[in-house]
Amino acid sequence: DGGITQSPKYLFRKEGQNVTLSCEQNLNHDAMYWYRQDPGQGLRLIYYSQIVNDFQKGDIAEGYSVSREKKESFPLTVTSAQKNPTAFYLCASTRSTGLMNTEAFFGQGTRLTVV
Amino acid sequence: KQEVTQIPAALSVPEGENLVLNCSFTDSAIYNLQWFRQDPGKGLTSLLLIQSSQREQTSGRLNASLDKSSGRSTLYIAASQPGDSATYLCAVRLSGGTASKLTFGTGTRLQVTL
Repeated sequence: DGGITQSPKYLFRKEGQNVTLSCEQNLNHDAMYWYRQDPGQGLRLIYYSQIVNDFQKGDIAEGYSVSREKKESFPLTVTSAQKNPTAFYLCASTRSTGLMNTEAFFGQGTRLTVV
Repeated sequence: KQEVTQIPAALSVPEGENLVLNCSFTDSAIYNLQWFRQDPGKGLTSLLLIQSSQREQTSGRLNASLDKSSGRSTLYIAASQPGDSATYLCAVRLSGGTASKLTFGTGTRLQVTL
């Protein structure tokens, strides 16, 4: 089945630690995205990547880093600089950001909790 | 800056009712609008995608409309079922250089009761 796989489903981070969230897609999509979801707020864009080896900051990139070494993979690192990392993180992909169909598909999310 | 609003924030209806969820956006220069469903603790499932040139899209019991000029979209659910209980999110994609960005509303939490 084609889709987006996020792992782990639950992640606990100690103060001062960096943690990495995995996102893999087998849809052959060019563009991938990371969103953060907090209770009572809409999804907010952290980073996005339109092609391999290229990525751009979203609206709330501070304290996060990403890489895009392969088309299928877009891992997100939550660094110790992110002061309030507890949230639900969602990865998405689209076929392209151009004039073709840009329907977005999402993974099942990773819930990150600071302990 | 594009802002997306969904009203009501929560809605409870008895099984079998038809219902309408609303989504409004401030910048009408959108490329498309997408409706999603989210179950508790889960990711988003795409329901319908409407391109800016379209007025509506239908899938089964769902019908989404788009009025760009007034900055509004509605999601109509016919003959609601308890399995429809979830949070429904709308998102708009701006046209132009930031075409890659989706802006989300905060969602409408729907409960369909027996």
